Amino acid sequence: KQEVTQIPAALSVPEGENLVLNCSFTDSAIYNLQWFRQDPGKGLTSLLLIQSSQREQTSGRLNASLDKSSGRSTLYIAASQPGDSATYLCAVRRPRNDYKLSFGAGTTVTVRA
Amino acid sequence: EAGVTQFPSHSVIEKGQTVTLRCDPISGHDNLYWYRRVMGKEIKFLLHFVKESKQDESGMPNNRFLAERTGGTYSTLKVQPAELEDSGVYFCASSRYMTEVYEQFFGPGTRLTVL
Repeated sequence: KQEVTQIPAALSVPEGENLVLNCSFTDSAIYNLQWFRQDPGKGLTSLLLIQSSQREQTSGRLNASLDKSSGRSTLYIAASQPGDSATYLCAVRRPRNDYKLSFGAGTTVTVRA
Repeated sequence: EAGVTQFPSHSVIEKGQTVTLRCDPISGHDNLYWYRRVMGKEIKFLLHFVKESKQDESGMPNNRFLAERTGGTYSTLKVQPAELEDSGVYFCASSRYMTEVYEQFFGPGTRLTVL
C-alpha cells in the first residue's frame, strides 16, 4: 500500500523567501507524481506533473524534482508572494494499470507580506 | 475549455436521507474519478470510470454508495442512506484516455454535511 507523507504540515515565511516543500512515498514503483494547490474552500489546481522517467519539471517560479529511488519529491517556489498562500498537496500514481492517486495530507503555506 | 464541474457545491442533509452528487468531466475525457476527504484525513480514492464502465471501485466504502456514468458523460454518486461519517468533501476528476500522461484535473468539490 502506498503511503505519502508531506513535511512540514504548515509553513510560514516572509514574502520573498524561497519555499521548499517535501513529499515522500513508500513504494518507489510509481507511474507519475502530481503537485496540486488548494485554496480554502476551493478545488485542486494541478501545478506540475512529473513522469517516473523524469527528474524535474519547471513552470515559472515553480520547480519540482523527483528522486524515485529514494521515494522523494520536492517542490520549490522561488521568491514567494502572499498569493502563494495555500495548501500544497502531492499525489502519486502507481504503475500503468492502476490509475488511482494516493495523496499526502498537504503542507499549508502562509506567506507574510 | 471548461473545467470539471460539480453540483451541488454544498449539501446539508439529515442522517438516513439520500443525496446525489453530480460531476461533469472535461469534454473528451473518458476517465472519470471520484475521491473524497473526510474530516482531518487525506484525500482518498473512491472509484474510476473509463467511459461508462467501472474500472476500479476498490475505494468505495460500502454498499450505501452507488456511482453511475450513463452514456459515458456525466457521473452521479448517490449515498443512501447517509450516515454521519459520510460528511466531507467529494471531489471528481477527469483525464484523457490512451495518453502517456494521464494528468488528472479536479473539480471544486461538493461539501456534504450529514446531521
